Amino acid sequence: NAGVMQNPRHLVRRRGQEARLRCSPMKGHSHVYWYRQLPEEGLKFMVYLQKENIIDESGMPKERFSAEFPKEGPSILRIQQVVRGDSAAYFCASSPSRDRGTEAFFGQGTRLTVV
Amino acid sequence: KQEVTQIPAALSVPEGENLVLNCSFTDSAIYNLQWFRQDPGKGLTSLLLIQSSQREQTSGRLNASLDKSSGRSTLYIAASQPGDSATYLCAGGSNYKLTFGKGTLLTVNP
Repeated sequence: NAGVMQNPRHLVRRRGQEARLRCSPMKGHSHVYWYRQLPEEGLKFMVYLQKENIIDESGMPKERFSAEFPKEGPSILRIQQVVRGDSAAYFCASSPSRDRGTEAFFGQGTRLTVV
Repeated sequence: KQEVTQIPAALSVPEGENLVLNCSFTDSAIYNLQWFRQDPGKGLTSLLLIQSSQREQTSGRLNASLDKSSGRSTLYIAASQPGDSATYLCAGGSNYKLTFGKGTLLTVNP
């Protein structure tokens, strides 16, 4: 089992461009979570997705950010018209069920730099 | 709203010392309490997971305890080594909505 795979590991975008971050969950996991780690801040929950459904997006900024987890393929976190303040590490995690006691396994993260 | 606080923010110790990292949380209705390690510019490595029905977990030189009634968890590292130098993060909540502390930056000096 390769674990949670995120790509790219590093992404540089100019202000105003779009950023697409990909997350492939562990084999057999159908629940995906995205977190953001701003410089000097703790990780903050953004969104919880199940295949083809957004379950909880209470941590997502209201504008420019969207997430999807299609029936086939990886989960995508999309940031439109990026600004300097979007520079952060974005982590994805996955779990095999929505049982709240189940451990979520984290990927290595994507570090987004907006220049 | 869950808040997680880690004390101290930074800790420097000589090699071989035993040490304790502290984590406190405001909402005792947690399902999991998890300790992670993060190296500079790297991802998260899960160290120990304590489920709400448990009081402690051990892995090698690491031991984590959980006291839900007082809203506290501790991570005990025995016989510290320079390779233990990293930021240690505590997180409480459920599988999908963990609330993280800001971490303790540990430096173990040879």
